Amino acid sequence: AQTVTQSQPEMSVQEAETVTLSCTYDTSESDYYLFWYKQPPSRQMILVIRQEAYKQQNATENRFSVNFQKAAKSFSLKISDSQLGDAAMYFCAYRVPYGNKLVFGAGTILRVKS
Amino acid sequence: KAGVTQTPRYLIKTRGQQVTLSCSPISGHRSVSWYQQTPGQGLQFLFEYFSETQRNKGNFPGRFSGRQFSNSRSEMNVSTLELGDSALYLCASSQMLGAYEQYFGPGTRLTVT
Repeated sequence: AQTVTQSQPEMSVQEAETVTLSCTYDTSESDYYLFWYKQPPSRQMILVIRQEAYKQQNATENRFSVNFQKAAKSFSLKISDSQLGDAAMYFCAYRVPYGNKLVFGAGTILRVKS
Repeated sequence: KAGVTQTPRYLIKTRGQQVTLSCSPISGHRSVSWYQQTPGQGLQFLFEYFSETQRNKGNFPGRFSGRQFSNSRSEMNVSTLELGDSALYLCASSQMLGAYEQYFGPGTRLTVT
């Protein structure tokens, strides 16, 4: 069974600085997708970034980028120029290509200090 | 385009009762998935529907059931409610199986007393 581990229950970052959230996963599949979702206090889950396992290039979306290490099964999220609106719970998630089932990590609470 | 809608947004039920939650996907989306979110267990997959067929089911007791209608709207039902069923229930829709994007609804907060 696939598992996703987020070892940082909580992280803090100063506004305008950079923070990296960690995620590791376990799977025997070779083709899959990885995602980072953001859940603010409103509880609305928002997709931040996705990575296809067959792509070697790390995904980037504006201030958000990932460091995808397939051999190490590691998928970290880097947030640059952190903003107060980035404060939320961040979930790392894994999905196989043939369905839509997501396996989530436990989440990391990100606090942004002004 | 309207987003994923879930009704009701909040619900309070008593142990032993049953409950039905509804999810309307984005227009044109044919896949709906359900998740349970609790502080203790985190986000757990319940089931996945595509074109009215259950494609995948999570590790939940038979008290949890669901269905999808021809218009892609989905319902989930929990019978004989237990205190531990108190949770935020999220549904997500996507155009097809294996689609890049899944869009989540705002959730239904169920409290069982």
